[in-house]
Amino acid sequence: GAVVSQHPSWVICKSGTSVKIECRSLDFQATTMFWYRQFPKQSLMLMATSNEGSKATYEQGVEKDKFLINHASLTLSTLTVTSAHPEDSSFYICSARAIGADYGYTFGSGTRLTVV
Amino acid sequence: GQNIDQPTEMTATEGAIVQINCTYQTSGFNGLFWYQQHAGEAPTFLSYNVLDGLEEKGRFSSFLSRSKGYSYLLLKELQMKDSASYLCAVMDSNYQLIWGAGTKLIIKP
Repeated sequence: GAVVSQHPSWVICKSGTSVKIECRSLDFQATTMFWYRQFPKQSLMLMATSNEGSKATYEQGVEKDKFLINHASLTLSTLTVTSAHPEDSSFYICSARAIGADYGYTFGSGTRLTVV
Repeated sequence: GQNIDQPTEMTATEGAIVQINCTYQTSGFNGLFWYQQHAGEAPTFLSYNVLDGLEEKGRFSSFLSRSKGYSYLLLKELQMKDSASYLCAVMDSNYQLIWGAGTKLIIKP
């Protein structure tokens, strides 16, 4: 089945530093990748939609200069949290849709970011 | 506005049956998804309904009524490993997923 590999699984960083999260589609081409953030006991919140070769579309309230998204190839999308603050601590998940019989969106394993 | 409603939490007994409801109001409809999410993990796909009726997959079944804006996920022969959050999501007319807040299912022995 379709697999999305997400790294790192968890990261702890100091305030003010930047963190890059990678998502790779291993056995399919992901022209579109979705980036979500999930706070404890809350639902997934879509941050941005990343399209290969073009600028990402950000949801209202998401700072595009803070959350840099690059989707340079059909198999790789990255999210960089710049100048991280403790309030950015969250669970970040990427997702892509592989065209197939189940019509499902495949999720990466998620990245637990803790900013100290 | 767009809205997905599902119960916050449900409790059931191992071996029993539980039904998790989801009602939605969205701008257009291109299908409804159910996902399972264990604590600290990413969601995993369970089912997709775009036509009215019941779809059965082993112990899990999903039902959709488009006219009522209603779906349910039915879990049979509950096992302890079924303890998780179950997320309902609707794809709107722009093919964007609108997510419910999830239902935390607690299974007791």
